[in-house]
Amino acid sequence: AQSVTQLDSQVPVFEEAPVELRCNYSSSVSVYLFWYVQYPNQGLQLLLKYLSGSTLVKGINGFEAEFNKSQTSFHLRKPSVHISDTAEYFCAVSWMDSSYKLIFGSGTRLLVRP
Amino acid sequence: DAGVTQSPTHLIKTRGQQVTLRCSPKSGHDTVSWYQQALGQGPQFIFQYYEEEERQRGNFPDRFSGHQFPNYSSELNVNALLLGDSALYLCASSGGTSGRLSYNEQFFGPGTRLTVL
Repeated sequence: AQSVTQLDSQVPVFEEAPVELRCNYSSSVSVYLFWYVQYPNQGLQLLLKYLSGSTLVKGINGFEAEFNKSQTSFHLRKPSVHISDTAEYFCAVSWMDSSYKLIFGSGTRLLVRP
Repeated sequence: DAGVTQSPTHLIKTRGQQVTLRCSPKSGHDTVSWYQQALGQGPQFIFQYYEEEERQRGNFPDRFSGHQFPNYSSELNVNALLLGDSALYLCASSGGTSGRLSYNEQFFGPGTRLTVL
């Protein structure tokens, strides 16, 4: 079955430190990959996406992610976090099997401390 | 450019009642998807509407139904509400241009928080 795994439910980090949020998915079949951010009591905002081309993808707010097909991973990184980055981050995958739905991971709460 | 809008923002119902949630897609989009996000979890796909038809459905019972109108807006209906239906319901829009890629990039609304007592 298709699944998305976010191994860390919460990641605490100090302000200005680097961070990596991990995402793995279940199949090596061609996929589209996304990271969304959710602030409290809000909907989901698209941070970045991989549809094709370069495996290193840059998004908004200084975030980037790298698609690794052999490891079926799409980890999110930021070199220096800010207090305002505190939020819930969701990895989502769409499989290229004529399925248009997004399958989400369970989320990682990024907690940035001063 | 208006993004995806949803109404109402909050809703309180009792068990057994019926509810209708509404969604207007982002300008230029023709496809609407609905997701249920229970507290502390990731969103779960309910169904997707395209050209006023249900194109794909997730693992949800028939109590969950929907509709898409000619202007691409959509409704989600839930009958015989259960306590477990309490969640944030998210609408996402996509598509509207040629090519499969545009249908995978989904833009989300702020959600409707449904509480079932």
